[in-house]
Amino acid sequence: DTEVTQTPKHLVMGMTNKKSLKCEQHMGHRAMYWYKQKAKKPPELMFVYSYEKLSINESVPSRFSPECPNSSLLNLHLHALQPEDSALYLCASSQHHGFAGNTIYFGEGSWLTVV
Amino acid sequence: GQNIDQPTEMTATEGAIVQINCTYQTSGFNGLFWYQQHAGEAPTFLSYNVLDGLEEKGRFSSFLSRSKGYSYLLLKELQMKDSASYLCAVSYDSGGYQKVTFGTGTKLQVIP
Repeated sequence: DTEVTQTPKHLVMGMTNKKSLKCEQHMGHRAMYWYKQKAKKPPELMFVYSYEKLSINESVPSRFSPECPNSSLLNLHLHALQPEDSALYLCASSQHHGFAGNTIYFGEGSWLTVV
Repeated sequence: GQNIDQPTEMTATEGAIVQINCTYQTSGFNGLFWYQQHAGEAPTFLSYNVLDGLEEKGRFSSFLSRSKGYSYLLLKELQMKDSASYLCAVSYDSGGYQKVTFGTGTKLQVIP
């Protein structure tokens, strides 16, 4: 069983809605990630937080807003999304960021459908 | 950018052995991961290779040749539950940060 938990498992939202995806890990990891995965495509990195600070933003549109309240929690705030944003959103964590060989552990993902 | 290539699909028979290849062209290469992903589920970690050679972990083994930019995942005694996508992912240095980029995955179908 994964030690990275994500909620909700499934989310359907309208283009004018504001919603959030939540992620929690209790492995003491100091790096947390958001990935986006479209059907039959590999996961693509969106954001990296290292020691609760945003380290990497892969030119993600501002309608996606990440937040790291503490070392165990990572949120992704969603606003004014488009239907093409429908995808599986994966949260992940690793012991550190910036060190070679960090195994990345994934949560079970949140399936997002934008209508 | 990072260029990772792996076959799109493979089929193998239950009980047999299958080898899934991955080639890459990556600057600042650190190491190579293999992940398994069942349909509708998140990827799960299988292996990580940094040094050249073969690493064995139960029915799964992974090989790396840094000089050739080549890796493979070897699955022995195939079981039906091994039907999944297998993602090759490279870890590399980028602007002082470590990044991981995934290949497009190989969908393995195990048949009776």
